[in-house]
Amino acid sequence: GQQLNQSPQSMFIQEGEDVSMNCTSSSIFNTWLWYKQDPGEGPVLLIALYKAGELTSNGRLTAQFGITRKDSFLNISASIPSDVGIYFCAGPPSGGSNYKLTFGKGTLLTVNP
Amino acid sequence: EAGVVQSPRYKIIEKKQPVAFWCNPISGHNTLYWYRQNLGQGPELLIRYENEEAVDDSQLPKDRFSAERLKGVDSTLKIQPAELGDSAVYLCASSPDVNEQFFGPGTRLTVL
Repeated sequence: GQQLNQSPQSMFIQEGEDVSMNCTSSSIFNTWLWYKQDPGEGPVLLIALYKAGELTSNGRLTAQFGITRKDSFLNISASIPSDVGIYFCAGPPSGGSNYKLTFGKGTLLTVNP
Repeated sequence: EAGVVQSPRYKIIEKKQPVAFWCNPISGHNTLYWYRQNLGQGPELLIRYENEEAVDDSQLPKDRFSAERLKGVDSTLKIQPAELGDSAVYLCASSPDVNEQFFGPGTRLTVL
């Protein structure tokens, strides 16, 4: 099946630092979604991207839909301790059903106060 | 607005035992999903419901897994009998449309 490659797998940063993570695929995606999952909880949608080249912000988070439609980036500015968690990219591959999401394996973010 | 409710939150069983998970979606969401999330992985879709109809169960292992959503609201996912490899977090999600899925907290299943 389709695979999404997320990098890095994990990050350890100091509070206040900016963070950047990305997601790549060998296939084209029509939509890119970024989720955050806290321990013991389900994923929560952070940002949704629907158009190639689109740049969308949600507070300190900014995500971009790659022009090739095969990648996406998530940036977090001025990290705080509550940013700790696992960040997943996801999306429905082109040609598939819009609801059938493929998820990456996640980037584990640790923020040291 | 209440979120997706799942119970139990944790379940430990011995292999070959049956187990069931319950989900109550967000009010008004006609679409309901069950996912399985293995350790270190993202969620993988098992089954999708539109009201009471299972419109996509292509990824549900039907030899031991079953699901129902009899009145188009609550849903139950069952495994019988459970195997060691079924240990995972089982997530329920609901959505008002195809673009956004709201996840519940999940049920963490451990099969011994």
